[in-house]
Amino acid sequence: QKEVEQNSGPLSVPEGAIASLNCTYSDRGSQSFFWYRQYSGKSPELIMFIYSNGDKEDGRFTAQLNKASQYVSLLIRDSQPSDSATYLCAVKTSGGYQKVTFGTGTKLQVIP
Amino acid sequence: DAGVIQSPRHEVTEMGQEVTLRCKPISGHNSLFWYRQTMMRGLELLIYFNNNVPIDDSGMPEDRFSAKMPNASFSTLKIQPSEPRDSAVYFCASSLQGLNQPQHFGDGTRLSIL
Repeated sequence: QKEVEQNSGPLSVPEGAIASLNCTYSDRGSQSFFWYRQYSGKSPELIMFIYSNGDKEDGRFTAQLNKASQYVSLLIRDSQPSDSATYLCAVKTSGGYQKVTFGTGTKLQVIP
Repeated sequence: DAGVIQSPRHEVTEMGQEVTLRCKPISGHNSLFWYRQTMMRGLELLIYFNNNVPIDDSGMPEDRFSAKMPNASFSTLKIQPSEPRDSAVYFCASSLQGLNQPQHFGDGTRLSIL
């Protein structure tokens, strides 16, 4: 089992719809969770981070964390063509050997 | 405010040559990370510094790779000798302190080894 898993996509949604991106992780003790957006040929850009169970909202973005089920999601409301990018989930593991592991990303396509 | 600054943006060199990538973290950030990104393997952590001290270099592929952080505002990643399989985009990132804080990435260096 990979430490951080994401569906590679592409996930296609129509403009104005809600895009739901999911990420599962294997380390039950993981503490910090990050979502990055990466446009083709560009560097990863931080969108949100979440530490506690529940929802965290920032504008059109909502991160949802469920530690019991070991998943973290990113919802994008009112999706725009400019949201088309690859979304990377990153998880900071717990324990003696701590590290941040990135998933391979989900490619999102917002169709006008 | 200036973000993470990397140089060069692009590097093309022949196999066997020494390659040096440079990074200036965001001022005030105490942690610095070097990543490599390829289509096949995604984003891989190579090495992580905290307060200029290497904390985790388990991702460094082999002895051909070395990284230094002589002061809080500068780091280098060196490959000697370079090989075609080292071709990738290399990112530097920094965070305020450690792994719990979000990381901010530079624009990357696109490295091609011929």
